[in-house]
Amino acid sequence: QVQLVQSGAEVKQPGASVKVSCKPSGYTFTSYYMNWVRQAPGQGLEWMGVINPSGGSTNYPQKFQGRVTMTSDTSTSTVYMELSSLRSEDTAFYYCTRSYSSNTAIFEHWGQGTLVTVSS
Amino acid sequence: QSVLTQPPSASATPGQRVTISCSGSSSNIGRNTVKWYQQLPGTAPKLLIYTNDQRPSGVPDRFSGSKSGTSASLAISGLQSEDEADYHCATWDDSLNGAVFGGGTKVTVL
Repeated sequence: QVQLVQSGAEVKQPGASVKVSCKPSGYTFTSYYMNWVRQAPGQGLEWMGVINPSGGSTNYPQKFQGRVTMTSDTSTSTVYMELSSLRSEDTAFYYCTRSYSSNTAIFEHWGQGTLVTVSS
Repeated sequence: QSVLTQPPSASATPGQRVTISCSGSSSNIGRNTVKWYQQLPGTAPKLLIYTNDQRPSGVPDRFSGSKSGTSASLAISGLQSEDEADYHCATWDDSLNGAVFGGGTKVTVL
């Protein structure tokens, strides 16, 4: 069955960067897109962008352009999301979630979430 | 502030029906289909409804979705204690060129 396994919780200082990994299994890695969605404590969901693991093309919303970088490693079938210049408002659960295209909000499979805490 | 607008909370007694609204605009709900996600406490979201009113395999038919113009709604009939969760609406926004979500609605079973 499809599974998305993410890396563990992180604690970072303001101004630092964080890199979260997502390793899917149960399907062909390059056949689906991978999105990142975050959720601050007590808040709603926020889409951070999407990557095509086959080729590495990305689409980021304006809010995160210049601060987020999504990459894929086909040799290890792993996707990464790096967020830089962290501030307290970036404290959130970060989820990877699979989609069948780059312009859809249908997310059928989700990782377990990675808690990133930004604190001095 | 979320692009789509949902009420923060809704409640009903077991067996009753509860409806959650999701309001958007011509660039998102007005042009694209709506999805709903259920998020149980401490877990990742789960796809509940796609293409406005379609249920993935395994989702009970107590859950139903609809869309009209720039608004959508999710109805839960025969409410059960296990339905206590946060519910999020989502769609694609053509102007923002990205997926957008509502702020989520917490459903409480009284």
